[in-house]
Amino acid sequence: GAVVSQHPSWVICKSGTSVKIECRSLDFQATTMFWYRQFPKQSLMLMATSNEGSKATYEQGVEKDKFLINHASLTLSTLTVTSAHPEDSSFYICSARQSGTAYGYTFGSGTRLTVV
Amino acid sequence: GDSVTQMEGPVTLSEEAFLTINCTYTATGYPSLFWYVQYPGEGLQLLLKATKADDKGSNKGFEATYRKETTSFHLEKGSVQVSDSAVYFCALHGPRGGSNYKLTFGKGTLLTVNP
Repeated sequence: GAVVSQHPSWVICKSGTSVKIECRSLDFQATTMFWYRQFPKQSLMLMATSNEGSKATYEQGVEKDKFLINHASLTLSTLTVTSAHPEDSSFYICSARQSGTAYGYTFGSGTRLTVV
Repeated sequence: GDSVTQMEGPVTLSEEAFLTINCTYTATGYPSLFWYVQYPGEGLQLLLKATKADDKGSNKGFEATYRKETTSFHLEKGSVQVSDSAVYFCALHGPRGGSNYKLTFGKGTLLTVNP
């Protein structure tokens, strides 16, 4: 079945530094990738949608300059949290939609980011 | 816009008990409906789905029926196991091609099954 690999699974960084999270579709081409943020005991908040080769579409209230998304190929999207602060600590999850399907969403295993 | 409302947890059951997690939705057109499960520290896994009215999605003993008249997609399982302990999310996806295929999630329901 479709597999999405998300790395790292957890990361601790210092305030002011940047962190990059990778999301790869291993055995399919992902036309669209989605990035979510999940707060403890809460639902997933969609941050942005990225299509291969084009700029990401950010949801209202999400800072584009802080959460940089790159979808350079059909199998890789990255989320970079720039100048991270403790309030950016969260669980980030990516999801990839398989080309040619309307319902083929596959989720990564998530990245636990802690900013100290 | 689209929205999903699901039963707030936490839900605590004994093994072999019957499970129902309610989910209702608001959407334009005819959405597709999903249940996802999230085990501790992991991403989401698709549990089941239904793409049109009266469809029944089923997987691993879980079932949910797409009820257009009541705009509901309640999750049920006849006999839960300890291994079913997880957070369950109800979600919908709008009509084909709409909103770049974004999923709208409910807030999630934490299920704990005790032996």
